[in-house]
Amino acid sequence: AQSVTQPDIHITVSEGASLELRCNYSYGATPYLFWYVQSPGQGLQLLLKYFSGDTLVQGIKGFEAEFKRSQSSFNLRKPSVHWSDAAEYFCAVGGSSSASKIIFGSGTRLSIRP
Amino acid sequence: EAGVAQSPRYKIIEKRQSVAFWCNPISGHATLYWYQQILGQGPKLLIQFQNNGVVDDSQLPKDRFSAERLKGVDSTLKIQPAKLEDSAVYLCASSLASRGVYEQYFGPGTRLTVT
Repeated sequence: AQSVTQPDIHITVSEGASLELRCNYSYGATPYLFWYVQSPGQGLQLLLKYFSGDTLVQGIKGFEAEFKRSQSSFNLRKPSVHWSDAAEYFCAVGGSSSASKIIFGSGTRLSIRP
Repeated sequence: EAGVAQSPRYKIIEKRQSVAFWCNPISGHATLYWYQQILGQGPKLLIQFQNNGVVDDSQLPKDRFSAERLKGVDSTLKIQPAKLEDSAVYLCASSLASRGVYEQYFGPGTRLTVT
């Protein structure tokens, strides 16, 4: 069965500190992986995606993520967080067939300590 | 490029009433999705359209929810009658790709409160 697990419900980091948000997936075929960010009262914005190729992908706002097939993980990282990064972050997995749909994790809420 | 538009942004209704949400996708996007996002959870797909045909509605509670996409552009999602557990944010998204999974662009959502 397809699933996405984000083990951390809520994370607080200090402004300027590094960040890593964890994501583990279960998928029977080659996965397409996504990270979305959702600010309060807003829709989801795509941060980055992995379809194939280089397993380290760069996204917007200084975020990056690394696909590790052996660990079924797609963790999101940022070397130095800003107060504006406070939001909800969702990892998602999908497939390449026309019948595929995106499955979202339950999200990780990021708070920034001044 | 204009984004995905949704209206209304907020709606409060009593249980057993009906409600409708509207979505206008990005111009040229063939695929349109409706998601339900309950507080504290990730979005859950309710229905996916390819142009004006339904691709996936396996998680749509068809006894009370209905959706249509006229002329392959705008879409409406209706709930009748509403239940307390329908309180959620309803997100509309669209995608350019007609096959496979590609990035989806989301609207701001409609927050529904059922009292």
